[in-house]
Amino acid sequence: AQKITQTQPGMFVQEKEAVTLDCTYDTSDPSYGLFWYKQPSSGEMIFLIYQGSYDQQNATEGRYSLNFQKARKSANLVISASQLGDSAMYFCAMREGAGQAGTALIFGKGTTLSVSS
Amino acid sequence: GAVVSQHPSWVICKSGTSVKIECRSLDFQATTMFWYRQFPKQSLMLMATSNEGSKATYEQGVEKDKFLINHASLTLSTLTVTSAHPEDSSFYICSARVLARGYEQYFGPGTRLTVT
Repeated sequence: AQKITQTQPGMFVQEKEAVTLDCTYDTSDPSYGLFWYKQPSSGEMIFLIYQGSYDQQNATEGRYSLNFQKARKSANLVISASQLGDSAMYFCAMREGAGQAGTALIFGKGTTLSVSS
Repeated sequence: GAVVSQHPSWVICKSGTSVKIECRSLDFQATTMFWYRQFPKQSLMLMATSNEGSKATYEQGVEKDKFLINHASLTLSTLTVTSAHPEDSSFYICSARVLARGYEQYFGPGTRLTVT
């Protein structure tokens, strides 16, 4: 079964508008972390934001915020005031367990975001 | 943030030859490194977890004899694609986490392998 599900293969948004990228996850581990990465065409993985399973507040980093709904097991990324440079592939990822360096991130299939002027 | 480098950034090889990809942690020691493979417009798929001084742990479906991983030091892990075939053409990315630096996982810039 998929642990990370991103149901939107592609999203389109106009500059300066906000956009929400969906992510749902599946785990029975009470301790986990949720991540969002941006991958432009160059291929580099750019870390955007992190949410721990025990964090009470939704994470925010500049124009990025994570809408964490634990009971629904969703961790949607909200990008406010989209910019042309935001056009890229976006991946939601999860790491299960805490305090273990040997646990890898598992990725969703990604969403391609296209921002137009 | 921590820096992870990969070499080469891209490589073209002929079918049947072997290719080695290096992954280095430049400013930290990584007891564990992860290797991912990514086909165009697809997700990152975990291939193996590389542990310094011991054998790598491969994910189901990944041929350990074809994708040789060596983690000889705390700053270097290598992935060797043996007897490469066109279907091995992909983007290979290594990654590492430093517990002392918290939750973040650091990624190398990736290596694009094309097998002709």
